[in-house]
Amino acid sequence: SQQGEEDPQALSIQEGENATMNCSYKTSINNLQWYRQNSGRGLVHLILIRSNEREKHSGRLRVTLDTSKKSSSLLITASRAADTASYFCATPTQGGSEKLVFGKGTKLTVNP
Amino acid sequence: NAGVMQNPRHLVRRRGQEARLRCSPMKGHSHVYWYRQLPEEGLKFMVYLQKENIIDESGMPKERFSAEFPKEGPSILRIQQVVRGDSAAYFCASSPKISVDTEAFFGQGTRLTVV
Repeated sequence: SQQGEEDPQALSIQEGENATMNCSYKTSINNLQWYRQNSGRGLVHLILIRSNEREKHSGRLRVTLDTSKKSSSLLITASRAADTASYFCATPTQGGSEKLVFGKGTKLTVNP
Repeated sequence: NAGVMQNPRHLVRRRGQEARLRCSPMKGHSHVYWYRQLPEEGLKFMVYLQKENIIDESGMPKERFSAEFPKEGPSILRIQQVVRGDSAAYFCASSPKISVDTEAFFGQGTRLTVV
């Protein structure tokens, strides 16, 4: 089963609006990471939030983490057409390999 | 630092042929991960290697798939006797060490099409 599940699956907004994507996970984590993938490209690491952090900012990105609800959200403020991409949350497994477990992603379209 | 380099970017194989996908990790990174992505899906872990060692291959199909990360040269993901269902994007990621804050750096992927 998926460790991370994003919602919504797809989101379409106008340039300048804010975009919020959510991620839920099942097991305890050390951290949660958000990645962006442009169509047909590789993944770009956006932000990592540790399990003892509640909120983190990076430029126009704001990530929150609620370990009691096992959920995280990614907020993109003042969106631009260039933000159009798929966004994935990922959590590393514990116990040595730290392999990442990804959700299916949220496909964000920002219309100019 | 050139980042994680994967080649080829696109690979077309006929059913029954072999596919070899290469991944050169970032300089100084000794940990390599391979992931597979089907259309409209997230990435699924396949295998984790350190130099000359397979650490975790719990996501690798039991047959036809193998991976290596030799002392010298890139990591290779090898798929023998490819079938249509192997068509996917294969991504490699590398990291410098394993810690609770390990960030993985991804390559651009190899898109395999089996015809």
